[in-house]
Amino acid sequence: EVHLVESGGGWVQPGGSLRLSCAASGFTFSLYGMSWVRQAPGKGLEWVAISYGSGHDTFYADSVKGRFTISRDNSKNTLYLQMNSLRAEDTAIYYCAKDGRCTNGVCYTVDLDSWGQGTLVTVSS
Amino acid sequence: QSVLSQPPSASGTPGQRVTISCSGSSSNIGNNYVYWYQQLPGTAPKLLIYTNNLRPSGVPDRFSGSKSGTSASLAISGLRSEDEADYYCAAWDDSLRGGVFGTGTKVTVV
Repeated sequence: EVHLVESGGGWVQPGGSLRLSCAASGFTFSLYGMSWVRQAPGKGLEWVAISYGSGHDTFYADSVKGRFTISRDNSKNTLYLQMNSLRAEDTAIYYCAKDGRCTNGVCYTVDLDSWGQGTLVTVSS
Repeated sequence: QSVLSQPPSASGTPGQRVTISCSGSSSNIGNNYVYWYQQLPGTAPKLLIYTNNLRPSGVPDRFSGSKSGTSASLAISGLRSEDEADYYCAAWDDSLRGGVFGTGTKVTVV
């Protein structure tokens, strides 16, 4: 059974940094694309970033490009999101999610078949 | 502001059929697969439909998806009280070079 557990959320002042982690189990982590999706309080879902299997291919939403970095350690089955220059509008629950079917290279999809429970990031002074 | 537009709400009585639309453009829905997610209150989203019209194992066949041109639809037939949730469409956007979600639709069973 796929299991995804996010950690690292918390309170941070504007301009600060935070690193989120997502521990994965129950599947061959290195084969699958892994994404971050966030949801501001009372708002809809926003796609943030994706890292494909090897970690070399990554894509970002314009709203976080240049500030956030997605990475992965396939030896530890862990996905990361380094968040710098945080703003109030980054306040959200951050979910990590596993790609459903893309196991070979880059697939231009939003096929997220397993999700973690989310971790809350609050950016406030 | 999302590039995929959905009606903010939809409702129906138990047993009815409800349809949710998702409007995009040639750079997203028009050229890529559409996905649908269900988010029950206080929980993480769940994949409901993938590759336009396929259901993951365990999703009832009451849920169906379709796509035509730059629009897509999710239909819920035989509406049940446990279908009360927020529903989101999603697709890759070639111009943005990233994923995009719809604005979301809250389904109420009255």
